[in-house]
Amino acid sequence: SQQGEEDPQALSIQEGENATMNCSYKTSINNLQWYRQNSGRGLVHLILIRSNEREKHSGRLRVTLDTSKKSSSLLITASRAADTASYFCATDDTGNQFYFGTGTSLTVIP
Amino acid sequence: DAEITQSPRHKITETGRQVTLACHQTWNHNNMFWYRQDLGHGLRLIHYSYGVQDTNKGEVSDGYSVSRSNTEDLPLTLESAASSQTSVYFCASSESKAAEQYFGPGTRLTVT
Repeated sequence: SQQGEEDPQALSIQEGENATMNCSYKTSINNLQWYRQNSGRGLVHLILIRSNEREKHSGRLRVTLDTSKKSSSLLITASRAADTASYFCATDDTGNQFYFGTGTSLTVIP
Repeated sequence: DAEITQSPRHKITETGRQVTLACHQTWNHNNMFWYRQDLGHGLRLIHYSYGVQDTNKGEVSDGYSVSRSNTEDLPLTLESAASSQTSVYFCASSESKAAEQYFGPGTRLTVT
């Protein structure tokens, strides 16, 4: 399976701190996406980074991609209680199939 | 506003019964996907479609089927439900193959 692996599986931080989560994948990709899932809800798209990009920003989110290491990181700066959710990376391989990782559960303590 | 809906939101069925989960999107997207989500496995792709009359198997397609007769709907059928198919099922759609996906709220299916 091409499924990505997020690390850590769970992360607990204080409000205002930064949260970093990592994603590793197995084969060549076209792009990598990050999604957020609040408890009991569907996934919401956060950001997409293409294989020829190294870094991308969106508001308090910063994503990096290292294709040589087959890894990506998602940084959430100045975290808020509302950021409490599970975060998933998803890779679109060259066959256009999507594979989601197992997720990082983030808890932001007020 | 465009949206993607799933029905039912919760379903309990017995082993061996046929079950159909509905997915309807008003984004006018060509691409639609079905995933199942289980603890420890994340989301796994069941079937996907890139347009009317097009269907493709995903990573975990055994025991499931889909049909695409129009742009808006991609129903997922469990031919003979098994306890291993107890899961939360998510439908998604996207504008293009590599684009962001829009997810429905999910259907929690329990097979007893």
